[in-house]
Amino acid sequence: DVVMTQSPLSLPVTLGQPASISCKSSRSLEYTDAKTYLNWFHQRPGQSPRRLFYKVSKRDSGVPDRFSGSGSGSDFTLNISRVEAEDVGIYYCMQGSHWPYTFGQGTKLEIK
Amino acid sequence: QVQLVESGGGLVHPGGSLRLSCAASGFTFRDFYMTWIRQSPGKGLEVLSYISGTGTILDYADSVKGRFTISRDNAKNTLHLQMNSLRAEDTALYYCARASRNIDYWGQGTQVTVSS
Repeated sequence: DVVMTQSPLSLPVTLGQPASISCKSSRSLEYTDAKTYLNWFHQRPGQSPRRLFYKVSKRDSGVPDRFSGSGSGSDFTLNISRVEAEDVGIYYCMQGSHWPYTFGQGTKLEIK
Repeated sequence: QVQLVESGGGLVHPGGSLRLSCAASGFTFRDFYMTWIRQSPGKGLEVLSYISGTGTILDYADSVKGRFTISRDNAKNTLHLQMNSLRAEDTALYYCARASRNIDYWGQGTQVTVSS
């Protein structure tokens, strides 16, 4: 199975400051159709995950543009340019290129 | 708007069975792959199974292969997960989700607890 490794696992951030989450896969996520199926999700306490990005950098509707997704191959990053209070929660990367699809362990973002 | 509503969870003894359902609305159900995912404190998020829109393509994670069966009823816009031979380690919150490689919408989840 493809192992997805996120870092850091805990991310205390001051409001208005940037934040960055790394996600590394144990093999390249470029699929045979030349697309890379890497998704980012945000889960608030007591809620279901909400998708932020798909195919690495395609932003979902309603996701603020202070969020960005980047990367290729086996190395991916989620960046937040200026953290706001509503951004707290757990962020997960998930690969959909190789079955079984797998998630990272999650990164818990909290406000300092 | 897209809605996915799971049901059928509960408390079951080891070795028992449960059938989860997911009622879909707000989109053309038969046009989408669907996926079951579970979340537990110990194992995090785990993708269990997916099924194509027609129901002809499906697969399972090794952890549930031979014990769980995914199916769908496109006439009723409903996804199912038949879970047999349940174990303590199957205890989790079970979600249905739309699509497979690019999962977008999730239900609110239904809790399954396997305990004697």
